[in-house]
Amino acid sequence: DIQMTQSPSSVSASVGDRVTITCRASQGISSWLAWYQQKPGKAPKLLIYAASSLQSGVPSRFSGSGSGTDFTLTISSLQPEDFATYYCQQANSFPVTFGGGTKVEIK
Amino acid sequence: QVTLKESGPVLVKPTETLTLTCTVSGFSLSNARMGVSWIRQPPGKALEWLAHIFSNDEKSYSTSLKSRLTISKDTSKSQVVLTMTNMDPVDTATYYCARSLGTGAFLDYWGQGTLVTVSS
Repeated sequence: DIQMTQSPSSVSASVGDRVTITCRASQGISSWLAWYQQKPGKAPKLLIYAASSLQSGVPSRFSGSGSGTDFTLTISSLQPEDFATYYCQQANSFPVTFGGGTKVEIK
Repeated sequence: QVTLKESGPVLVKPTETLTLTCTVSGFSLSNARMGVSWIRQPPGKALEWLAHIFSNDEKSYSTSLKSRLTISKDTSKSQVVLTMTNMDPVDTATYYCARSLGTGAFLDYWGQGTLVTVSS
């Protein structure tokens, strides 16, 4: 199975900050990577697919980059509604695997 | 409008078999580009992918849980069913179903989830 490692596991930031989350795959997955946002008590929401494609309706302050084994999710200017947990997921091959999550907290 | 909704027991006893149903609307399970995955999340923990069924009825399972899982679908009822045998308290989690579109397993629509507690 492909292992997905996210860092950091948590980050404290203020409104307006730029936040970067990284995800590393244990083997190359080309651009077969997705990012999800999850708020407490809610289902995850797809933000980014194919490493850098913004899902419809997702604000442009979210962006993704990377290919192969190293990927990044960037929030350019953190908004109050962005405080949540973020997960990466590889979609290169089955079984699908998720990263351990990054909690973005209020500083 | 695409929706998915999970249903099943809220409480199961250890050693019992769990059966969960995902009822979908707004798309057809026979669409060549559609698939449905099951994912779970223990309280306070990360997401764990469980199983996937493709439009052609091919299936894929979590390596660690493969022996306990069965996924199937009834296209006429727009339902995907997951069974998990020999339930244990560590299987207590919110169980989600989600749709994938296209060749990759990008999960674009999710159900609201259903919390299953395993306890005697």
